Amino acid sequence: SQTIHQWPATLVQPVGSPLSLECTVEGTSNPNLYWYRQAAGRGLQLLFYSVGIGQISSEVPQNLSASRPQDRQFILSSKKLLLSDSGFYLCAWSGGQGSAYEQYFGPGTRLTVT
Amino acid sequence: TQLLEQSPQFLSIQEGENLTVYCNSSSVFSSLQWYRQEPGEGPVLLVTVVTGGEVKKLKRLTFQFGDARKDSSLHITAAQTGDTGLYLCAGEDSSGTYKYIFGTGTRLKVLA
Repeated sequence: SQTIHQWPATLVQPVGSPLSLECTVEGTSNPNLYWYRQAAGRGLQLLFYSVGIGQISSEVPQNLSASRPQDRQFILSSKKLLLSDSGFYLCAWSGGQGSAYEQYFGPGTRLTVT
Repeated sequence: TQLLEQSPQFLSIQEGENLTVYCNSSSVFSSLQWYRQEPGEGPVLLVTVVTGGEVKKLKRLTFQFGDARKDSSLHITAAQTGDTGLYLCAGEDSSGTYKYIFGTGTRLKVLA
């Protein structure tokens, strides 16, 4: 069966510091991968998605970036965090050996920028 | 741009009551998914509906896909406190980019 991992689970960082969030998927190959951000009690904002290694599409221009160095690894980064980067970050996958229609989410990372 | 609007945004009901959540769009979707999310956790997939007019049941939850595949509903019978959470509908963007469009969410609170 497929599983998706995110770490860290929680993170408190000062403004201006760098960021690296990691997501890995097990049990499937060539998945589509996604990063979302969610404000408290709100819907999901798509930040980046990737359909293959090295292929990144950005949905919202901001100070975040994403990379996919391996088939099942997706990394969200920032060189200098802003207060507005605080939120709940979710990684998801679709396709691969899963259903063509559905997305599966990781447990999320709660980021607080102080 | 495809949009999915959910209603109501918030719902607070007593245990044992019935409720319906709606997910509407002016666009056609090849499928729609429903998720439930609890605080501090990732959304969990409940169901996928694919065929226009399709009805799926998951215990006390009934999901329906509109005939024209532009809308969907989630009906909960005899709500329980364990049904509390954020309900999200989602559909795959029709542009073939593998993106998903998410609804605005319905926050349900079931009171004992």
